[in-house]
Amino acid sequence: GESVGLHLPTLSVQEGDNSIINCAYSNSASDYFIWYKQESGKGPQFIIDIRSNMDKRQGQRVTVLLNKTVKHLSLQIAATQPGDSAVYFCAESSGNTPLVFGKGTRLSVIA
Amino acid sequence: DTAVSQTPKYLVTQMGNDKSIKCEQNLGHDTMYWYKQDSKKFLKIMFSYNNKELIINETVPNRFSPKSPDKAHLNLHINSLELGDSAVYFCASSQDPLQPSTDTQYFGPGTRLTVL
Repeated sequence: GESVGLHLPTLSVQEGDNSIINCAYSNSASDYFIWYKQESGKGPQFIIDIRSNMDKRQGQRVTVLLNKTVKHLSLQIAATQPGDSAVYFCAESSGNTPLVFGKGTRLSVIA
Repeated sequence: DTAVSQTPKYLVTQMGNDKSIKCEQNLGHDTMYWYKQDSKKFLKIMFSYNNKELIINETVPNRFSPKSPDKAHLNLHINSLELGDSAVYFCASSQDPLQPSTDTQYFGPGTRLTVL
């Protein structure tokens, strides 16, 4: 089985509720941000991205909000489903610098 | 169709051995990457190759050597394996890391390396 990330923040939500996962980034020059979803035993999967010239972007059931003033990024998942259970990572980059991943948040959906 | 594939999925080996992990992408991307994910799920980039040229080496020990025979493949060779090398290694690819609309990275399924 997969090892447990003992120091991974965990968010538990009821099925059908909305989830909000937060991420603080450190580089004020970062201009591109991505949210990835990593299910158990799989690689990170792209969910949604946002550029620094926007403060909100919506996808299917997901919304990313960017607050550049406080260097904060959030991922909102509407009507959370059991299949949303995973570890979620934010990642940032600036110009030609490589993606820097955040520490991840484990989302557990309670049926 | 698997966009980014890695082999093997699991690799168990003794300290001191030399091993390789293979990665292939069929997306036509120009850039490929290797990441290491530790037991705390922290993802850290190791290497990036753009059109068969190394463009990033993030303070990785020289026991790790990426090899790219063509732009669809980026293999990771590890010499003299150590206990601390145990982790999950992910390959990824992107079309162009310097172009804003094409730098999204697509990840492979990972290779879990266990060094005994």
